[in-house]
Amino acid sequence: GAVVSQHPSWVICKSGTSVKIECRSLDFQATTMFWYRQFPKQSLMLMATSNEGSKATYEQGVEKDKFLINHASLTLSTLTVTSAHPEDSSFYICSGDSRYEQYFGPGTRLTVT
Amino acid sequence: GEDVEQSLFLSVREGDSSVINCTYTDSSSTYLYWYKQEPGAGLQLLTYIFSNMDMKQDQRLTVLLNKKDKHLSLRIADTQTGDSAIYFCAESIKNYGQNFVFGPGTRLSVLP
Repeated sequence: GAVVSQHPSWVICKSGTSVKIECRSLDFQATTMFWYRQFPKQSLMLMATSNEGSKATYEQGVEKDKFLINHASLTLSTLTVTSAHPEDSSFYICSGDSRYEQYFGPGTRLTVT
Repeated sequence: GEDVEQSLFLSVREGDSSVINCTYTDSSSTYLYWYKQEPGAGLQLLTYIFSNMDMKQDQRLTVLLNKKDKHLSLRIADTQTGDSAIYFCAESIKNYGQNFVFGPGTRLSVLP
């Protein structure tokens, strides 16, 4: 099946700094990519829908100025957590649409100290 | 709105069958999915079923769909310790360009 990669797989950063997470579709073009957030022992919550070449659509309650999403090409979307705080610590998962299925990345674990 | 519910925990003995249940509310759901998440990892698609199907079988996995009751189940035959994970049920109206709605996940523990 198709592969979605995320980089980095885990990152530790200090409060107040920004962190960029990359999501790449390796063998297919993803017009639409999705960013999810997962707190410990909880399900995935959709944060935003990212469409190539246009602005992302954010879910209610997600701060667009804090979670910057860029979908510059059909194979790359990035999520930047700006001015990170400890409550932003979470597992972030992206997914990309191919023609028939949605494929999920392996996730990025962010820890803000 | 859309809502997907699952029981949170299930324990079975190795070699037994596991049945994980899921209910959903959106009658326009077209695709229903089962994903597996191992500790610290992303999601692995196990199987999906289109809403006009009643059953789908893939090796040890059997998916049953009762569209009238909006009930989906995943049966794992001959459960192994490697099946211990969290299993998420998810629904989607389309299979393209549409986000999924996930259930809370069922943590399956396989006892030796």
